[in-house]
Amino acid sequence: GAVVSQHPSRVICKSGTSVKIECRSLDFQATTMFWYRQFPKQSLMLMATSNEGSKATYEQGVEKDKFLINHASLTLSTLTVTSAHPEDSSFYICSSGLSETQYFGPGTRLLVL
Amino acid sequence: AQSVTQLDSHVSVSEGTPVLLRCNYSSSYSPSLFWYVQHPNKGLQLLLKYTSAATLVKGINGFEAEFKKSETSFHLTKPSAHMSDAAEYFCVVSDWDFGNEKLTFGTGTRLTIIP
Repeated sequence: GAVVSQHPSRVICKSGTSVKIECRSLDFQATTMFWYRQFPKQSLMLMATSNEGSKATYEQGVEKDKFLINHASLTLSTLTVTSAHPEDSSFYICSSGLSETQYFGPGTRLLVL
Repeated sequence: AQSVTQLDSHVSVSEGTPVLLRCNYSSSYSPSLFWYVQHPNKGLQLLLKYTSAATLVKGINGFEAEFKKSETSFHLTKPSAHMSDAAEYFCVVSDWDFGNEKLTFGTGTRLTIIP
C-alpha cells in the first residue's frame, strides 16, 4: 500500500506560538490531501481538504486563518496552527488517496501549554 | 447525505474467540466501504475495503467483512481474536460529492481482548 508520513510525531509549544506539521506522500503523488483532528476517544473530524497548487477547502466551523494549509508540491502538504492555544491541543492526522483508498499518516500529537 | 453507525462503542472478547464489530451505513449512491484500525497514538491502518466487487472482502490479519446491501451493513469479523487485535476500529464510507471524495467516519469501536 501507499505510505504517508507526518512530521513531527509530537510537539509541545507555548501558547501564542505557531506550529507547522508536515504531511508527505512517500511513494505516490497526491493532488489532494485531507487534514483531520481527533480528540481523545473520539472519531476523526475533517478539518480541510488540501489541493496542490490551489487554496484549501475548509469544513464549516474551521478557522482558515488559524489553520493555514499549504500544498506546494504533489508530495507535501503543511498545516500551520497559528497563535496556538491550549484548546488547539489535539491529535492531527493527514491522509491522501490512491486507487480509491485513503492512506493515513501516523498522526501528530500537539500539546499547547 | 451519507452516514455510518457503529453499533457498539466497546467490544470485549476472550483471546481465541470470534470477533464481530458491527457497522451500518446509509448512502445515496453505491458507496465504497472501509475498515481501519488505530492503535494508541498511531494513525489509521487499512484493514480492508469494499468497492463494488465481491461482497465478502478479506483483509489483513485474518479479518474479513461482508457487504450486505439489503441490510445496509458491513460488519467486520475474525474467527479467532489475538491479543494484538486490541485497538480502535473505524468503519468508513466513501462517497463522491460534486467531484470531491468525502469520507464519513463511524464513531469507532474499542476492541478489548481478554487473556
